[in-house]
Amino acid sequence: NAGVMQNPRHLVRRRGQEARLRCSPMKGHSHVYWYRQLPEEGLKFMVYLQKENIIDESGMPKERFSAEFPKEGPSILRIQQVVRGDSAAYFCASSRYRASGNTIYFGEGSWLTVV
Amino acid sequence: TQLLEQSPQFLSIQEGENLTVYCNSSSVFSSLQWYRQEPGEGPVLLVTVVTGGEVKKLKRLTFQFGDARKDSSLHITAAQPGDTGLYLCAGALETSGSRLTFGEGTQLTVNP
Repeated sequence: NAGVMQNPRHLVRRRGQEARLRCSPMKGHSHVYWYRQLPEEGLKFMVYLQKENIIDESGMPKERFSAEFPKEGPSILRIQQVVRGDSAAYFCASSRYRASGNTIYFGEGSWLTVV
Repeated sequence: TQLLEQSPQFLSIQEGENLTVYCNSSSVFSSLQWYRQEPGEGPVLLVTVVTGGEVKKLKRLTFQFGDARKDSSLHITAAQPGDTGLYLCAGALETSGSRLTFGEGTQLTVNP
């Protein structure tokens, strides 16, 4: 998973604050995915983006969560008015192509703790 | 309902033993990937299999994709303490492009 850069690695927020998680994909990759891993659970798909476009957001909660991948700069996962249940590890992954069978590489993750 | 069922959920063995982890589904996947995850880190890709019946070897690890592309297995020969970790299978449905569906994982502990 070398090359997919996420920051911050650890983030503590009080209930009601906003959390912004950043992801820079591997060089040459234009497809970005965000996954969430709750304690003691597997990874759950949230959103899939390509430069300036949201391709699939079927895993995103309907409220408070948003994601973007601008033409320039990293992808950002934004969580507004955080609640304790948002505490989780958020992983970004990237791929070169969209097609099935394509290899996806993960970053080290951003651990969000809501207090 | 979990789309990908991994078994066993936990496995504790002695160094030198062999083990097999299973990943099963009623859905057909265009590809399946195996990852290993250490505490506090992201999943690290071990292998991608795309062809039904495909077998791939990575040192002491052998990965197999079922003929019908609904299941996969990971076999480790002569396990070592360094193999300890969470093993995750993840599949891409033909209709979902590169979006991966993950199993719940198998937590492997190899005791010296």
